[in-house]
Amino acid sequence: NAGVMQNPRHLVRRRGQEARLRCSPMKGHSHVYWYRQLPEEGLKFMVYLQKENIIDESGMPKERFSAEFPKEGPSILRIQQVVRGDSAAYFCASSPPTSRETQYFGPGTRLLVL
Amino acid sequence: QKEVEQNSGPLSVPEGAIASLNCTYSDRGSQSFFWYRQYSGKSPELIMSIYSNGDKEDGRFTAQLNKASQYVSLLIRDSQPSDSATYLCAVNSFSGGGADGLTFGKGTHLIIQP
Repeated sequence: NAGVMQNPRHLVRRRGQEARLRCSPMKGHSHVYWYRQLPEEGLKFMVYLQKENIIDESGMPKERFSAEFPKEGPSILRIQQVVRGDSAAYFCASSPPTSRETQYFGPGTRLLVL
Repeated sequence: QKEVEQNSGPLSVPEGAIASLNCTYSDRGSQSFFWYRQYSGKSPELIMSIYSNGDKEDGRFTAQLNKASQYVSLLIRDSQPSDSATYLCAVNSFSGGGADGLTFGKGTHLIIQP
């Protein structure tokens, strides 16, 4: 049973470029969460999505960040016009419909902004 | 503002001894509590969940919850060098009408000394 999949695992961008991070939840899971972990900081919730719906985006920065989970395909976290402060590990987690609070994490995408 | 507090450590424990990790949380409405283990450079791995007051045991791990004191702990019996990692306490409050993301502490760095 494949776990949560994320790609790319490492991403290097220059300031001002766009970063696209992808997440495929575990089989049978319909809830996707994105978290960011800054160096020496804890994991911070960003957004919670179900298929074609953003349920809670209270942790998303107001500008440059967006997320989607289309009917087909992976969930995508998009960061426009990246800045050095966006350098972090971005983790996706998924949970089954019967136990929404039990979240399993993917391997993460390490974003480095030069 | 929901907060989860953990002693950052490092907590050093001899091999074979009991490691005790503690966590306090600020939101009295919190309903679900989790312990994750995170090795350096890796993603968080769910090791325990607890929802009601008291103890919950799973192998060498015991989670303890005291909602009146807003306190969660994790005991690791017969500690092994492979238990050396950062342990993250996470809380879910289910506020805001949907399933919020987890609120994480910054983690306790545990070192098991052979």
